[in-house]
Amino acid sequence: QSVLTQPPSASGTPGQRVTISCSGSSSNIGGNNIVYWYQHLPGTSPKLLIYSNSQRPSGVPDRFSGSKSGASASLAISGLRSEDEADYYCAAWDDRLNGPVFGGGTKLTVL
Amino acid sequence: EVQLLESGGGLIHPGGSLRLSCAASGFPLRKYAMSWVRQAPGKGLEWVSAISGDGGTTYIADSVKGRFTISRDNSKNTVSLQMKSLRPEDTAVYYCGKGHGSSSFGDYWGPGTLVTVSS
Repeated sequence: QSVLTQPPSASGTPGQRVTISCSGSSSNIGGNNIVYWYQHLPGTSPKLLIYSNSQRPSGVPDRFSGSKSGASASLAISGLRSEDEADYYCAAWDDRLNGPVFGGGTKLTVL
Repeated sequence: EVQLLESGGGLIHPGGSLRLSCAASGFPLRKYAMSWVRQAPGKGLEWVSAISGDGGTTYIADSVKGRFTISRDNSKNTVSLQMKSLRPEDTAVYYCGKGHGSSSFGDYWGPGTLVTVSS
């Protein structure tokens, strides 16, 4: 069980906006550690979507946005597209474990 | 262009050893932390290990502590993961990642190499 908690699944229809939450604690997100978000299709390489809580690497569409408040973070995907169907993971440094950790992952289904 | 390519995976009996390698190109390896993460069948991503740019600082997940060792040779542009006393639960695809900025969090990842631990 991960120290970062994500809902196991989320869904939406094309064009909708969906959000995925990531709940942590004072030893990770709440302790002022920055949050990263990854998109992953099993069998392929993970893709960095968001770094420093809300920054997008070049090439990542602005449909993807990240935010952080207290010990929680969220990934929002607007204008949902079929190719967004994938697993999404939050990640952050954990001071108690003294290392990086992933959330359990959220499987996004585009209906 | 950043390129990472893992090798060394395969089928190994429980208790055996394997050494995974990650060949890096397209960036100055010495300037970046590197990580290994894995995904077991039907499971999520798990951070396995990380190493700083100069190799002086390492992180090993509790699940593999005492059995796995991370190292790097910046002169050969490679990062390695030595795995010993392998268990069936170590079966996974292992990915090598280049750290983003000064962090261990990867911004580029290799295609992965499959490790299967089974008798």
